[in-house]
Amino acid sequence: GAGVSQSPSNKVTEKGKDVELRCDPISGHTALYWYRQRLGQGLEFLIYFQGNSAPDKSGLPSDRFSAERTGESVSTLTIQRTQQEDSAVYLCASSLVEGFGNTIYFGEGSWLTVV
Amino acid sequence: GEDVEQSLFLSVREGDSSVINCTYTDSSSTYLYWYKQEPGAGLQLLTYIFSNMDMKQDQRLTVLLNKKDKHLSLRIADTQTGDSAIYFCAETLRAGGSYIPTFGRGTSLIVHP
Repeated sequence: GAGVSQSPSNKVTEKGKDVELRCDPISGHTALYWYRQRLGQGLEFLIYFQGNSAPDKSGLPSDRFSAERTGESVSTLTIQRTQQEDSAVYLCASSLVEGFGNTIYFGEGSWLTVV
Repeated sequence: GEDVEQSLFLSVREGDSSVINCTYTDSSSTYLYWYKQEPGAGLQLLTYIFSNMDMKQDQRLTVLLNKKDKHLSLRIADTQTGDSAIYFCAETLRAGGSYIPTFGRGTSLIVHP
């Protein structure tokens, strides 16, 4: 597609439920990133995929968070047993290849509210 | 410090220049970036600078880099109300085997008439 596409754009869920957030990167982009942005805060790195390599999961805040990516296409971020502190915007980004100098392009985010 | 640091707010009058400052963490960061986030939207790349440059100008935007002090600034000339947004400074840090873009908390630029 023309840009990074994320769905849903907004999600309200009850505490304790599981949610899945989807990211469709720009076609041909091998690198894909997930970030979390809490209200009034900066971007918190969650996880990074590069091609078929093992993902860098160093930013995932707990074992309730997981993500998958099929090849170099769609990625899904799953949050199990959601808590109120999970309320945030979840931003996905992709770039042509990994590393500095390669512009990363962001989607518009999935706004998650846990009530 | 361990974080990319920025002041949280900047208020300017329309037509004035805005200067947004950032302190980054890794002197070996090769590229440094400025992103803009408008309300309800994702981040858009505004500009970037390579570490062997001191200055980069792009129309109304001027980026200054002081590697010694690990200080980056973004100057917006003739600031307009449409420039009101959150501006994020970012560096690319090597974490494990990966290069991860790392962002500051963002500076909210408020432009008033």
